[in-house]
Amino acid sequence: ETGVTQTPRHLVMGMTNKKSLKCEQHLGHNAMYWYKQSAKKPLELMFVYNFKEQTENNSVPSRFSPECPNSSHLFLHLHTLQPEDSALYLCASSHDWVSSYNEQFFGPGTRLTVL
Amino acid sequence: RKEVEQDPGPFNVPEGATVAFNCTYSNSASQSFFWYRQDCRKEPKLLMSVYSSGNEDGRFTAQLNRASQYISLLIRDSKLSDSATYLCVVDSGTYKYIFGTGTRLKVLA
Repeated sequence: ETGVTQTPRHLVMGMTNKKSLKCEQHLGHNAMYWYKQSAKKPLELMFVYNFKEQTENNSVPSRFSPECPNSSHLFLHLHTLQPEDSALYLCASSHDWVSSYNEQFFGPGTRLTVL
Repeated sequence: RKEVEQDPGPFNVPEGATVAFNCTYSNSASQSFFWYRQDCRKEPKLLMSVYSSGNEDGRFTAQLNRASQYISLLIRDSKLSDSATYLCVVDSGTYKYIFGTGTRLKVLA
C-alpha cells in the first residue's frame, strides 16, 4: 500500500464505548498529525508527532488520547466521547514538523458518529 | 479577525470560465502558503504551494501579496472536474498550518 491509510473508515459508537482509530503512512515521513473536520468548520489540528515525540497538543480534551509507537503508525484512542465529537478525523503525514513548505499528505479519514 | 479567511461560496461558473478565489490571513509572520483541494467526502490534497514570486501550474495561477496579507488562486478554462472545495492553508508562524473553511466551486455544463 502507498500513501496514508486509515482504519476504520466509518465508526459509530456510544458515549460509554472505547475505540481506537489507526493511521499508517508508507511515505517514510517523520511527522504525523491528527485533525478534526466538522461540518462548515475548518480543519482543526489536534495533535502533532515529530520523530515519535508529541510536539503539539492543541487543547484537546483528555477523552482523546494519541499514541505514536513508531514514525509510521499513529493511533487515536477514544473514550467517553460526546455527540459533538462526531466529525471526520483525518490523519496526515509530512517529511518533518519544522521545514517550511512542508506538504502534508492526508489519509481518507474516519467518519465518526457518537450516539 | 479569523486567522485565515475565505469566502465560502459557492461559486457557480459555466465550463470554460475563469474564476478567482482570495484568502486573507492575519499573521504577518507566516512563511508558507498553500492551496489544497478537497472533493466531497474525500481528504484534502495539495493543489499548489504559493511562492512570493507567484507560480503557475497549467490552468492554475497562485499569487501572494504579503503587504495586504492575502493569497489568490486563479483557475482558467474551468472544467467540470474542477468542482470541489478549495482550502487556503497558511502556517501560523510556528510551523502549525491553519486551514480556511474553504471555498466551494461548482462548474456547470
